[in-house]
Amino acid sequence: EPEVTQTPSHQVTQMGQEVILRCVPISNHLYFYWYRQILGQKVEFLVSFYNNEISEKSEIFDDQFSVERPDGSNFTLKIRSTKLEDSAMYFCASSRRQGPSTDTQYFGPGTRLTVL
Amino acid sequence: KQEVTQIPAALSVPEGENLVLNCSFTDSAIYNLQWFRQDPGKGLTSLLLIQSSQREQTSGRLNASLDKSSGRSTLYIAASQPGDSATYLCAVSYGNNRLAFGKGNQVVVIP
Repeated sequence: EPEVTQTPSHQVTQMGQEVILRCVPISNHLYFYWYRQILGQKVEFLVSFYNNEISEKSEIFDDQFSVERPDGSNFTLKIRSTKLEDSAMYFCASSRRQGPSTDTQYFGPGTRLTVL
Repeated sequence: KQEVTQIPAALSVPEGENLVLNCSFTDSAIYNLQWFRQDPGKGLTSLLLIQSSQREQTSGRLNASLDKSSGRSTLYIAASQPGDSATYLCAVSYGNNRLAFGKGNQVVVIP
């Protein structure tokens, strides 16, 4: 069964450094998402992406964050200058379609980001 | 603000008992609701999706009901097994791109 994959599984970085988290969505899906989960807290929406542009972003997704689909398969999340509070599990998700009857979002295994 | 609440936060049941997990949401104008399973340190596995026009969905031992007017969904797991031990997350879509998640029901099934 097709699944969303993410790399790396764990990333450790120093505060102020840039990180890029990578995702390969399910191949026939058109909508892509990033969520994060700070330890012990709820899963929070960051951004959604369709047709090579951001379709929605949350208040968390500030200028430090960016997303890109550099080729036909990868979907990346970049954090420009990491802060301690960016430490979290980051999940990528994808769905076939979007709209009033929102399709199931399928999640990857996550990247645990630790900022020291 | 759209809030999703899951009660109880944690529960333990002996193997074989039925599990009942509750989810409530403040804004009843939902498009759909998804139940996920999360194992410790792992990703989210989608279990069931209920459209706003539906009252329930079933998959094997799992049954999810939806009452939009009262802002509630319930996930039933019949004849629980130790392998059902996990955190179960409820997430609501309001027709935009984002899912709003509850904090989860942490379940332990005791052999």
